[in-house]
Amino acid sequence: SQTIHQWPATLVQPVGSPLSLECTVEGTSNPNLYWYRQAAGRGLQLLFYSVGIGQISSEVPQNLSASRPQDRQFILSSKKLLLSDSGFYLCAWSVHGGASDTQYFGPGTRLTVL
Amino acid sequence: AQSVTQLDSQVPVFEEAPVELRCNYSSSVSVYLFWYVQYPNQGLQLLLKYLSGSTLVKGINGFEAEFNKSQTSFHLRKPSVHISDTAEYFCAVSPLKAAGNKLTFGGGTRVLVKP
Repeated sequence: SQTIHQWPATLVQPVGSPLSLECTVEGTSNPNLYWYRQAAGRGLQLLFYSVGIGQISSEVPQNLSASRPQDRQFILSSKKLLLSDSGFYLCAWSVHGGASDTQYFGPGTRLTVL
Repeated sequence: AQSVTQLDSQVPVFEEAPVELRCNYSSSVSVYLFWYVQYPNQGLQLLLKYLSGSTLVKGINGFEAEFNKSQTSFHLRKPSVHISDTAEYFCAVSPLKAAGNKLTFGGGTRVLVKP
């Protein structure tokens, strides 16, 4: 069966510090991968998605970036965190198919920027 | 572009009572429709989705939703809720011809089931 892991589970970082969140998927190959952010009291916003290694599409301009160095690994990064980067970050995967496919979400990382 | 509006941000309901969560969407293209549930401090999981065919869709945990194309709505219902249904519920849409599954979510509805 497929599983999705995210770490760390929680993170407290000072403004201006770098960020690296990791997501890995097991039990499937060539998945589509997604990063979402859920700000306090708000819905989910798609940040990045990837249909293959090295292929990243950005949905929202911001100071975050994403990379996919391996087929089942998706990394969210920032060089300098802002207060507004605080939130709950969710990684998700779907089969390499189409718009009707279910997305499967990881447990999330709660980031607090102070 | 697509947008999704969930009309109620919070819905308190007593145990064993029915609940309806409202979702309206706007899109210039045809979309697939989804409902996801998020239990506290967890990721999301799929409740149900409408792709085509019958407009009444049945999902897990006794939930169902009805697609109404003329009203661009996809309301979620459950005839009798349990304490364990306390969670946040998200409606989402995905364009039929998008590369990958690019979901646009509504703002969410928090359901609090009271004993």
